[in-house]
Amino acid sequence: EAQVTQNPRYLITVTGKKLTVTCSQNMNHEYMSWYRQDPGLGLRQIYYSMNVEVTDKGDVPEGYKVSRKEKRNFPLILESPSPNQTSLYFCASSTGPPGTRNTEAFFGQGTRLTVV
Amino acid sequence: GQNIDQPTEMTATEGAIVQINCTYQTSGFNGLFWYQQHAGEAPTFLSYNVLDGLEEKGRFSSFLSRSKGYSYLLLKELQMKDSASYLCAVLILTGGGNKLTFGTGTQLKVEL
Repeated sequence: EAQVTQNPRYLITVTGKKLTVTCSQNMNHEYMSWYRQDPGLGLRQIYYSMNVEVTDKGDVPEGYKVSRKEKRNFPLILESPSPNQTSLYFCASSTGPPGTRNTEAFFGQGTRLTVV
Repeated sequence: GQNIDQPTEMTATEGAIVQINCTYQTSGFNGLFWYQQHAGEAPTFLSYNVLDGLEEKGRFSSFLSRSKGYSYLLLKELQMKDSASYLCAVLILTGGGNKLTFGTGTQLKVEL
């Protein structure tokens, strides 16, 4: 089954404690991205990756890191989480950058992160 | 900058038709997506428009007018399971490639 898998689904952590949210896709997609979703603000892109070892900042990259060492995985790293990073996070993948008819994004199930 | 507007909430009756509007102001427009998101779940793809006109897919249709910066999603024969948030997302061509910017979503409630 084609899917994007995020882990964990829920996480409560303390300020400053490094954490990683994993994202894996089994569709051999080249393009992957991370979003955060906050009430009244919609989905905002954090980082994206066009292919292995190719990453770039989205709209709200501050406080986050990513890596793309292999095609299927795109982890999101919070080196020193702060309460303003409490949010619902989504990973997404597609065959290429958004813009052609067949590059709809497939989203993971989301990770609800609380930083206290 | 970019500005995407859609109503915050809408209510409609089961079996009826509802139209969810999205207006945008942006440079480098390169297409528009509609996604459906049920509470606590991931967004799922509904439609993509890049040319003016209507795209029909079953009970769902999406319309785009590039000159007016306007799109709508039309849902026919509404069912209770259509209660969800509907996200309008605009594709913008930048120096770094295509970038997808989402509106804040329209929460649709379908009632009996």
